[in-house]
Amino acid sequence: DADVTQTPRNRITKTGKRIMLECSQTKGHDRMYWYRQDPGLGLRLIYYSFDVKDINKGEISDGYSVSRQAQAKFSLSLESAIPNQTALYFCATSDTDRNTGELFFGEGSRLTVL
Amino acid sequence: EDKVVQSPLSLVVHEGDTVTLNCSYEVTNFRSLLWYKQEKKAPTFLFMLTSSGIEKKSGRLSSILDKKELSSILNITATQTGDSAIYLCALVEISGGYNKLIFGAGTRLAVHP
Repeated sequence: DADVTQTPRNRITKTGKRIMLECSQTKGHDRMYWYRQDPGLGLRLIYYSFDVKDINKGEISDGYSVSRQAQAKFSLSLESAIPNQTALYFCATSDTDRNTGELFFGEGSRLTVL
Repeated sequence: EDKVVQSPLSLVVHEGDTVTLNCSYEVTNFRSLLWYKQEKKAPTFLFMLTSSGIEKKSGRLSSILDKKELSSILNITATQTGDSAIYLCALVEISGGYNKLIFGAGTRLAVHP
């Protein structure tokens, strides 16, 4: 089983719909992140969380919200999806103790907004 | 503004060729530079380079950090079709006690038989 699991893996939805992407991890890491990947733009940080009570906006948080339900769970919501939110979304974790900056990624969730 | 620029954006080679991928950066508080390989979905970690560890090698892959030139290269020798992937460079910057990662757009490598 993957250490970082994302669901759903693929989702097609319509403009205006609410969408939730879920992430769970078994690595025991405190830090969790949501990124989106677009062709030619690399990975951009949406939100990050250092623990259950600590949520921070990344560089492109507008239109998104997150919830850290437990140390192992971090979900991303699009309250009213729009077509330019079509992208590949990654959840990632990192180890505070090692503090190397290395990220461990989930398999990704491909979202298409029509 | 902190940024990471990778070149080329895409590259097509034949098996057995040697390739060099480039990553240049501008960052205020450098901590480390990471290389990832992304084949189908999740990026997987290749190397971490720091001021105290500027050269890494693993099999046919090697990477060097040039802090003077603010750049890094990733070399792949005797390429194989399994090396086809997007290679991502990421800068780790110390920002308010947090390791902030800044990713480049990636280099898409295609290795043909």
